[in-house]
Amino acid sequence: AQSVAQPEDQVNVAEGNPLTVKCTYSVSGNPYLFWYVQYPNRGLQFLLKYITGDNLVKGSYGFEAEFNKSQTSFHLKKPSALVSDSALYFCAVRDYRDSSYKLIFGSGTRLLVRP
Amino acid sequence: NAGVTQTPKFQVLKTGQSMTLQCAQDMNHNSMYWYRQDPGMGLRLIYYSASEGTTDKGEVPNGYNVSRLNKREFSLRLESAAPSQTSVYFCASSEGQLQYFGPGTRLTVT
Repeated sequence: AQSVAQPEDQVNVAEGNPLTVKCTYSVSGNPYLFWYVQYPNRGLQFLLKYITGDNLVKGSYGFEAEFNKSQTSFHLKKPSALVSDSALYFCAVRDYRDSSYKLIFGSGTRLLVRP
Repeated sequence: NAGVTQTPKFQVLKTGQSMTLQCAQDMNHNSMYWYRQDPGMGLRLIYYSASEGTTDKGEVPNGYNVSRLNKREFSLRLESAAPSQTSVYFCASSEGQLQYFGPGTRLTVT
């Protein structure tokens, strides 16, 4: 079965510093990986995805993610954090079963950027 | 273009009461989903509908029923609410790889 794991419940970083939010995956076949962000009292918003191609994927709001097949990881990164980046971040993997696509989500990582 | 809308935004129920959560999308997507979000557990799939006229169970379907009324609307019903169903419920729709989420319904069962 497809799964993703987010080993950190919370990540704290100072504004202006680089940030990393970790995700590892377990899939059969080629992975289709996603990052979503959830701001307080809002639904999830798509940030970026990896389907195939370059291992460094660029997404919205200056975020990028690095796909590493040997380490089965898909870490989310940003070179310089903003206070407004504080939110809940979810890694997800696509699961295709019963003729339909579903997303399997990690448990989420809360990012707190302090001024 | 409103995307995915959900009603109500908040609801408090007593144990044993019933209610229906409504979801609609205006993106002409075939697939729709219901998730629940609980602290430390991410989003878990309750039911999904790959296309109009079909519904299937997800990871945590017990205590819920769904109706895919038409291509736009996908409702979630709690027949006899239990405190364990206190959660935030999200509806989503998709066409292909990406899912688009509604703003959520915060449900408390006392």
